[in-house]
Amino acid sequence: AQKITQTQPGMFVQEKEAVTLDCTYDTSDPSYGLFWYKQPSSGEMIFLIYQGSYDQQNATEGRYSLNFQKARKSANLVISASQLGDSAMYFCAMREGSGYSSASKIIFGSGTRLSIRP
Amino acid sequence: DTEVTQTPKHLVMGMTNKKSLKCEQHMGHRAMYWYKQKAKKPPELMFVYSYEKLSINESVPSRFSPECPNSSLLNLHLHALQPEDSALYLCASSLPLTGVNQPQHFGDGTRLSIL
Repeated sequence: AQKITQTQPGMFVQEKEAVTLDCTYDTSDPSYGLFWYKQPSSGEMIFLIYQGSYDQQNATEGRYSLNFQKARKSANLVISASQLGDSAMYFCAMREGSGYSSASKIIFGSGTRLSIRP
Repeated sequence: DTEVTQTPKHLVMGMTNKKSLKCEQHMGHRAMYWYKQKAKKPPELMFVYSYEKLSINESVPSRFSPECPNSSLLNLHLHALQPEDSALYLCASSLPLTGVNQPQHFGDGTRLSIL
């Protein structure tokens, strides 16, 4: 069963607008972490933001914020004031548990390709 | 610039060749990972090393052979690859495995083409 779902294969957004990238997840483990990565066409995976399952507040990092709705199992990425350089593939990912072997795996969603129009 | 360095950035090899991919990090991380990524797909985990010991092998064919000579270096030895092995190979590292809040930090990847 797919554990991370990104339902938007591609999005087009006008420069300077805010954009929300959707991510839902499925886990029965009470301890988990959620991550967002950005992958430009050059290939590198850039870590953007992290949200823990026990965190009371939504994570923020500069123009990135994570809209964490635990009961709905959603962890949407919000990019404020989008820029041309934000055009990239964005992956939502999850790490479950605190055990030795299970904690090592990060499960990725299928990704959303974001294109910013000038 | 990323803190995880991968070499080479591009590699073209024949199916009978032997080559190696190299990954280096100096962040003091003790977990290192190899991923394979096909175009327009998410990365797929191949191997995980923890404290220089192989802890996870995701049923990867034996033509891929990982090696972790020390805490900063991770190699992936390639031999007798198939055309379907053409992909972007990403290396990542993180603090020790326990704890869900540790992100993995990725290198720029090696784009591998098998002729």
